[in-house]
Amino acid sequence: EVQLLESGGGLVQPGGSLRLSCAASGFTFRSFAMTWVRQAPGKGLEWVSFMFGPGGAPFYADSVKGRFIISRDNAENTLYLQLNNLGVEDTAVYYCAKLEGMESYNYAMDVWGQGTTVTVSS
Amino acid sequence: QSLLTQPPSVSGAPGQRVTISCSGSASNIGAGYDVHWYQHLPGTAPKLIIYGNNNRPGVPDRFSASKSGTSASLAITGLQAEDEADYYCQSYDSRLDGFVFGTGTKVTVL
Repeated sequence: EVQLLESGGGLVQPGGSLRLSCAASGFTFRSFAMTWVRQAPGKGLEWVSFMFGPGGAPFYADSVKGRFIISRDNAENTLYLQLNNLGVEDTAVYYCAKLEGMESYNYAMDVWGQGTTVTVSS
Repeated sequence: QSLLTQPPSVSGAPGQRVTISCSGSASNIGAGYDVHWYQHLPGTAPKLIIYGNNNRPGVPDRFSASKSGTSASLAITGLQAEDEADYYCQSYDSRLDGFVFGTGTKVTVL
């Protein structure tokens, strides 16, 4: 069974940092691009970042560019998201998802984790 | 501010048909990029229900979708209580060089 399990969320002060993890199982992790999506309280889904299977240049939403860093360890089947210089607007549930498709611009998010909650507050 | 606009809410009685629109622009849907649709129940993982504009990944055929020009739409026929959820369209935007989600639509079964 294909599964994604996020961890690492918590309460952090403004300006602080956090690292989220997404443990993957049930598929050949290194072969698939992966992405992070978040949902702030009372808001809709917002794409955050994605990275191709073998690695390479990552992609970021403008709202997190320069503050968040996506990475992956294909030997450990784990996706990461380093959150730096956090602001209250980063408070959200963060989901990781597996990407599927022939062309990167047409990728769909076919498997999702349950999410991990990040709360930025003083 | 999302580049894909959806109505905030739609509702229907059990058995009825409801449609959700997703309005984009020339840099996303209008550029020919695929549209995907997700069902999201609060507190759970979002679920892919339509990929590649009109393909169902093992979901009931009550769900269907289409795309034309700069817009797309999702239709749910034979509405059931279990369909009550938030629905999001998603595509790629060349101007942002990234993925974009619609604003989301809450479906209420009366």
